[in-house]
Formats: sequence, C-alpha cells, structure tokens
Amino acid sequence: DAGVIQSPRHEVTEMGQEVTLRCKPISGHNSLFWYRQTMMRGLELLIYFNNNVPIDDSGMPEDRFSAKMPNASFSTLKIQPSEPRDSAVYFCASSFADRGKQFFGPGTRLTVL
Amino acid sequence: KQEVTQIPAALSVPEGENLVLNCSFTDSAIYNLQWFRQDPGKGLTSLLLIQSSQREQTSGRLNASLDKSSGRSTLYIAASQPGDSATYLCAVKIMNTGNQFYFGTGTSLTVIP
Repeated sequence: DAGVIQSPRHEVTEMGQEVTLRCKPISGHNSLFWYRQTMMRGLELLIYFNNNVPIDDSGMPEDRFSAKMPNASFSTLKIQPSEPRDSAVYFCASSFADRGKQFFGPGTRLTVL
Repeated sequence: KQEVTQIPAALSVPEGENLVLNCSFTDSAIYNLQWFRQDPGKGLTSLLLIQSSQREQTSGRLNASLDKSSGRSTLYIAASQPGDSATYLCAVKIMNTGNQFYFGTGTSLTVIP
C-alpha cells in the first residue's frame, strides 16, 4: 500500500487566496483525520471523519476552514481566505475503526505570505 | 481537557545507551495510547499502540509501558543507534470522545555516534 497520500507537499500563497489541501487515505481505512502542526501549538486535531461523515470539527479554527470527504478515498481541507497565521504543516491521517493505529501522510507545508 | 506532557523536551545520549522517554496525561480514562516518531520535515510514524487493558507493548528494541492509574507511559529504547534520532510523540485517546487523540509536545532525541 502506498500509505496516506497528500498533495501538494508544499504550497506558497498570498494572503487572501484560497488554498485546497488534498488527502487520499489508506484503502480500507474508515476514519480520516486532519491535523495542523506548528512550533507554538504542536500537533492539533482540526477535524475527523468516520465513514465519510464529519464527527468532530471543534478543532477547526474558524469559518475560513472547511473540510469535505465526498467518498472513502478522498478528502479536502480548504482555507478561504488564507492568512499568514495559517502557515503550518497540515497532516492527514487514517485508521481502521476507532481502535486502530493512526497512519500519517507526509504533510503539506503551507506558507501564506 | 486532556493534557499530555512529555519530559524531557530534548535528550542527547551516546550510541549504545538504553534510554527512557516519559509521557504523562491528566485524564486516566483513556482508550489507548500511541507512540510515534517524527523525522525532520516528515510525517509521523506509528511505533506502538497500547490499549487501555494492556500494560505494555514491544517491538524490536522498543518497549512501551502504560500505567493508567498514575497517568504515565514510558517508551524504552534499548541499545540506541544514531538512526533513532528523531522526535518522539505520545498521543492518548480518551473515552467518550470518538477518535480524538491528544498529542504531547514531543521529546527530541539525538543519539551521538
């Protein structure tokens, strides 16, 4: 298996622009997570899905952030409009069922100028 | 809210030493605990997952223990190697919150050849 796939790996954009991050979970996994990692705050859970349904989005910082999972093999995290404070590494992870190990993608390093 | 603390924040040891990394959590009603390693600029790699009913898990030179009553877990690395140099994070999943994981801030390990 190729593992969790994220794209793009790096994104540089200007303040105010829309940013879309993409994730393909491991085939067969039914839970998907979006995390953000910064030096100041460490690793934070933004939102997670079970069976394509958003379960907890309490970690989403504000309305500028939205996430979708239209099917079991694809999810997006969108920021609109982006701000410099959104600069971070965004990780997607997946697991099988509630008890499973979480497997992380390589991350997307986002820089908002 | 669950607070997860890792001490020390950084550790430097000569090659061949055995070492222990510590993880403490405030809410003992956990579902499981997972140890990860993160290499610079990379995603997280799952090392060991301990269910709440277990006391320890072993994988090769790694051994993780769990003491729920005291809110502590340790990761023991035997015969450390330079390739073990990375940041190690623990994450706890607590009861009644679905798949929410709370991450510690990590211990940065350097193994000196």
